[in-house]
Amino acid sequence: DSGVTQTPKHLITATGQRVTLRCSPRSGDLSVYWYQQSLDQGLQFLIQYYNGEERAKGNILERFSAQQFPDLHSELNLSSLELGDSALYFCASSVVQPAEAFFGQGTRLTVV
Amino acid sequence: AQSVTQLDSHVSVSEGTPVLLRCNYSSSYSPSLFWYVQHPNKGLQLLLKYTSAATLVKGINGFEAEFKKSETSFHLTKPSAHMSDAAEYFCVVSDKAGNMLTFGGGTRLMVKP
Repeated sequence: DSGVTQTPKHLITATGQRVTLRCSPRSGDLSVYWYQQSLDQGLQFLIQYYNGEERAKGNILERFSAQQFPDLHSELNLSSLELGDSALYFCASSVVQPAEAFFGQGTRLTVV
Repeated sequence: AQSVTQLDSHVSVSEGTPVLLRCNYSSSYSPSLFWYVQHPNKGLQLLLKYTSAATLVKGINGFEAEFKKSETSFHLTKPSAHMSDAAEYFCVVSDKAGNMLTFGGGTRLMVKP
């Protein structure tokens, strides 16, 4: 158990809908990272938050957004969902840089 | 910018034989490098990391990796494969600030009895 908790584990939704994925980092970790893993794109970095502030941005679509709350949990919001958004979404957390991150078990999103 | 290339998408070995998973990196600075493992339907787990200390890095479950700057490589090895090693392995490089991890395409390791 990495100590990073992601909910829900599975999510099935229709195209055009909006979903929220939640991540609770390990106790004491200030950094939260979001990744998308799909068959065609592999593992891609989406976005990082550090102590509530956006720190780095990767290949995140404009339809996607994230935030980190004062209690350090984070949410990834995906809107206007398309079939191609079906993927495994991972959250990871770390204490300090360099990024030695601990990963959650992921949320598998299926868009139908 | 940094990048990582895993030279083999699939590797198959027999149980008890050595494992070699190859990784080459590209970076304009002294990189931090990692190997992660992902078992089926599981999250990723850190196997080992290199952060400019000893070039030979030992990780969990008997794995080790050697950082070779001259060859820009960070290959993962294990002397004797076990059935439980069957998984997908990712070579990862961190950006200079440590904010972003760039993953290689992954190598699926299969272990035959």
